[in-house]
Amino acid sequence: EVQLVESGGGLVQPGGSLRLSCAASGFPFSNFWMHWVRQAPGKGLVWVARINTDGSSTSYADSVKGRFTISKDNVKNTLYLQMHNLRAEDTAVYFCARDGDYTLDHWGRGTLVTVSS
Amino acid sequence: QSALTQPPSASGSPGQSVTISCTGTSSDIADYNYVSWYQQHPGRAPKLIIYEVSKRPSGVPDRFSGSKSGNTASLTVSGLQTEDEADYYCSSYIGTNPLIGGGTKLTVL
Repeated sequence: EVQLVESGGGLVQPGGSLRLSCAASGFPFSNFWMHWVRQAPGKGLVWVARINTDGSSTSYADSVKGRFTISKDNVKNTLYLQMHNLRAEDTAVYFCARDGDYTLDHWGRGTLVTVSS
Repeated sequence: QSALTQPPSASGSPGQSVTISCTGTSSDIADYNYVSWYQQHPGRAPKLIIYEVSKRPSGVPDRFSGSKSGNTASLTVSGLQTEDEADYYCSSYIGTNPLIGGGTKLTVL
């Protein structure tokens, strides 16, 4: 069974940093592209970042480019999102999702990031 | 980035059918068969219910169906059930990155 479990969320002050993790199991993690998608309270889903199988290619939404870094450890079967210079508008539940050939076929339950002073 | 446009709300009575639209552009929906639909209940993770325009993952009831015409994709839920009340999101791809619609709240009256 495919499982994705996010962790690392919490309360952080504006300008602060946080690193999210997504532990993957039940599938060959090294063979899959992965994504982060976020959802602000009461709002819709917004794609944040993407990484290819070996981490050699990444892509970001304009709103986080230069502040967030996506990475994956294929030995630890873990996806990461390093977030710097956090803003109030980054407050959201962050989901990791597996890319099943141009679709997000499995999602984690998410981890909440709150940016507030 | 372009946007996928969905109606903010839709509704239907139990047993009825409802269709949710998703309008994109010639750069996304019209050009590629990579339209997906996700169902999200409050406080839960999104769940894939349709991929590649009209395919259903294992375990998704055949009451859910998808189609596409030009730059508009559609999700039809037939034989509405109370548990279908949820938010629904369409998605297409721009290159290798997903583009996600604003979501439609489906209410079962």
